[in-house]
Amino acid sequence: NAGVTQTPKFRVLKTGQSMTLLCAQDMNHEYMYWYRQDPGMGLRLIHYSVGEGTTAKGEVPDGYNVSRLKKQNFLLGLESAAPSQTSVYFCASSYPGSRQGEAEAFFGQGTRLTVV
Amino acid sequence: GQQVMQIPQYQHVQEGEDFTTYCNSSTTLSNIQWYKQRPGGHPVFLIQLVKSGEVKKQKRLTFQFGEAKKNSSLHITATQTTDVGTYFCAGPGDRIFGNEKLTFGTGTRLTIIP
Repeated sequence: NAGVTQTPKFRVLKTGQSMTLLCAQDMNHEYMYWYRQDPGMGLRLIHYSVGEGTTAKGEVPDGYNVSRLKKQNFLLGLESAAPSQTSVYFCASSYPGSRQGEAEAFFGQGTRLTVV
Repeated sequence: GQQVMQIPQYQHVQEGEDFTTYCNSSTTLSNIQWYKQRPGGHPVFLIQLVKSGEVKKQKRLTFQFGEAKKNSSLHITATQTTDVGTYFCAGPGDRIFGNEKLTFGTGTRLTIIP
């Protein structure tokens, strides 16, 4: 069981370049999330999805787009990267939860992105 | 929108001392979760609290959910070097147990002085 896998683990982009971060989960989870983590800012929710074909905005969605064409995959796109998007990005997934503790979120290992 | 505030942002303690982090919400939470992130790692689920006034223990860790379900705390007794990391609370839940829009507090970074 791989859990949640993020690709790539590291990336350096030039300002204005585009890229897609891939998140894959093999736990048949309905919910998936994308976060960015910056020093002193905690984990901020970018976009999330409650099921295949659905997406919604989180706290900091500007400059990012997402797609959930397949239940197991959640893609995060940067159309025109900016230095302010330098961060560590985490993907997570969870069940909706019908019992206490069942809705725990499982995280990927993170992607460290630098925009120069 | 709903916000979950967490204090303190940093805490340095001598090994063996106790540690507490607090999570506060302006609105009632249906449930709250706690996570731990080791340095260089990813967040890992610790526990979920659902009921008003709930208290749960995991060895040296004690988690509480306030009576009004607007605040929560994590207390570690007699800290050890393995407790180093950042502790996050997460909420609010849109459902009784689940979290469609899972948002995190800013975290409390715990460092231990040997």
